[in-house]
Amino acid sequence: QVQLVESGGGVVQPGGSLRLSCAASGFTFSSYGMHWVRQAPGKGLKWVAFIRYDASNKWYADSVKGRFTLSRDNSKNTLYLQMNSLRGEDTAVYYCAKSSGTYEYYYMDVWGKGTTVTVSS
Amino acid sequence: QSALTQPASVSGSPGQSITISCTGTSSDVGGYNYVSWYQQHPGKAPKLMIYDVGNRPSGVSNRFSGSKSGNTASLTISGLQAEDEADYYCSSYTRSSTWVFGGGTKLTVL
Repeated sequence: QVQLVESGGGVVQPGGSLRLSCAASGFTFSSYGMHWVRQAPGKGLKWVAFIRYDASNKWYADSVKGRFTLSRDNSKNTLYLQMNSLRGEDTAVYYCAKSSGTYEYYYMDVWGKGTTVTVSS
Repeated sequence: QSALTQPASVSGSPGQSITISCTGTSSDVGGYNYVSWYQQHPGKAPKLMIYDVGNRPSGVSNRFSGSKSGNTASLTISGLQAEDEADYYCSSYTRSSTWVFGGGTKLTVL
């Protein structure tokens, strides 16, 4: 079955960096776009970024543009989110989600269980 | 990238029907048939309930249905059951090639 497992979360100081990973299994990873979505404590879902199946295009929310970088290694079935210049408002559970297709307009059909990022001094 | 507008809470008794609205603009909800709905129980990951406005993934009860009129999408749950109590989020593709979520609606089954 389709499975997404996030890792790499933790506690980091403001201004610090963290790299999240999302290991995919149960589907042909290289054929699907992938999203990151985050949820601050007690708050709603916020879309963070999307990468196409072949990494040819990436899109970011304005709140993370220039600070976060999305990448993928199709040979390892793994998605990455490099987060730099972290701020308190980046504190959240980060979910990776599989797109139902190759391009950015396809909906998110399967979600991982999330990894928690806490930005605090 | 303003969030879509959802009511903060709705409630209903078992067996009743409820509708959750999701209002955006012509740049998102009104401009595309790419609206999806997610159910999230406390401490759990979101689960896809409706995609492309009114389509149900396999395995999702036919008590869940979706529709759209203009800039407003709606999720209807009929025959409410206790297990439906959860948070519900709408999301839409946008003209900027990004996605936007609604603020979420807490459904209480009385």
